[in-house]
Amino acid sequence: SAVISQKPSRDICQRGTSLTIQCQVDSQVTMMFWYRQQPGQSLTLIATANQGSEATYESGFVIDKFPISRPNLTFSTLTVSNMSPEDSSIYLCSVEDPASSPPYEQYFGPGTRLTVT
Amino acid sequence: GQQLNQSPQSMFIQEGEDVSMNCTSSSIFNTWLWYKQDPGEGPVLLIALYKAGELTSNGRLTAQFGITRKDSFLNISASIPSDVGIYFCAGQDNYGQNFVFGPGTRLSVLP
Repeated sequence: SAVISQKPSRDICQRGTSLTIQCQVDSQVTMMFWYRQQPGQSLTLIATANQGSEATYESGFVIDKFPISRPNLTFSTLTVSNMSPEDSSIYLCSVEDPASSPPYEQYFGPGTRLTVT
Repeated sequence: GQQLNQSPQSMFIQEGEDVSMNCTSSSIFNTWLWYKQDPGEGPVLLIALYKAGELTSNGRLTAQFGITRKDSFLNISASIPSDVGIYFCAGQDNYGQNFVFGPGTRLSVLP
């Protein structure tokens, strides 16, 4: 399975500021995903990021609020813009296992715990 | 949209007991994944299921893909303290579609 790291692991930010979260994978992957997990809740998909194309956002999430970059096959960033306390969540990066055959298994990074004050 | 239900929402068991939890959907899925999430960590994939009726084991864990393709079960035998965590199921109806995650089952193991 792919090894995924995220930076930062946690942060406390002031409302109105922005935070960029980095996701690094140890192998080349086509599909990368960004999820949000609000306190005590399940995982909600924010967007799918493919290299060389614009990210595809799920209903309720917009590019202006959550811009995503995917400069190559091993790296992606998610920015949480103009933060408010409601953005306090764990943000998780996920990839499809490049070594598996379809249907692909999905693996997660350790998450970034964001607190907005 | 598609939704998954998990039951029970939470459970408290004695160390050494067996555990059973399930995941149900109103629609058909072709892939089921089971994850465990420890506090402060990302979900870790436990078992993947690809065929209706499939029964797959991973150590003390056994999961089954329901015949109707609308449900899946996860069993843990002889529970130990490190089994504590939240167990999520995830379903995918077709390859290329996004996975849908259930709300989770929170497991507590009492010594």
